[in-house]
Amino acid sequence: NAGVTQTPKFRILKIGQSMTLQCTQDMNHNYMYWYRQDPGMGLKLIYYSVGAGITDKGEVPNGYNVSRSTTEDFPLRLELAAPSQTSVYFCASRRKQGAGNTIYFGEGSWLTVV
Amino acid sequence: ILNVEQSPQSLHVQEGDSTNFTCSFPSSNFYALHWYRWETAKSPEALFVMTLNGDEKKKGRISATLNTKEGYSYLYIKGSQPEDSATYLCALPDVRGSTLGRLYFGRGTQLTVWP
Repeated sequence: NAGVTQTPKFRILKIGQSMTLQCTQDMNHNYMYWYRQDPGMGLKLIYYSVGAGITDKGEVPNGYNVSRSTTEDFPLRLELAAPSQTSVYFCASRRKQGAGNTIYFGEGSWLTVV
Repeated sequence: ILNVEQSPQSLHVQEGDSTNFTCSFPSSNFYALHWYRWETAKSPEALFVMTLNGDEKKKGRISATLNTKEGYSYLYIKGSQPEDSATYLCALPDVRGSTLGRLYFGRGTQLTVWP
């Protein structure tokens, strides 16, 4: 199984540009998440989805958008990139039933906005 | 938002030392706690999922305990090795109605083991 796959791994954006971080999972997981990781701050939840067609804001949603048209895919869109969005982004997924289900992470996307 | 706190923020130990750190959380509405090991430039790796008060889990030299009544979990590493150097994260799922499905992470404890 590929697990959680996110692309690209590295990207440099100019201020004001837009881009989409792709995330796909092949485990038929209902729940999917986007986190950003800033030094000393742990993982902050940007958006999450509990199933196809359903998305909700997390702790730090401003400047981002998501969609969940299929169970497998959960892309994260950055509109009008700002230096404050320089970060490492992680996509994750888990099964719906049971709060104890293991969370599976993608390998991370390093984004720099200059 | 669930307030998940980890302490200490960082820890430096010598090879062979044993160490432990803490994850604290609200004791109400508890369902599960996850421990993750996270090395730089890699994705977090699952260590333990703990669900019952008094749970003790072990994986090699790493073990964890859970006290849901007082809202904390300890992670222990016995005889630390340089390869244990990583950030250790704990996470709690939110099971409350309007925020069901969210996962909240602590800031992590960054462990450095010196040879």
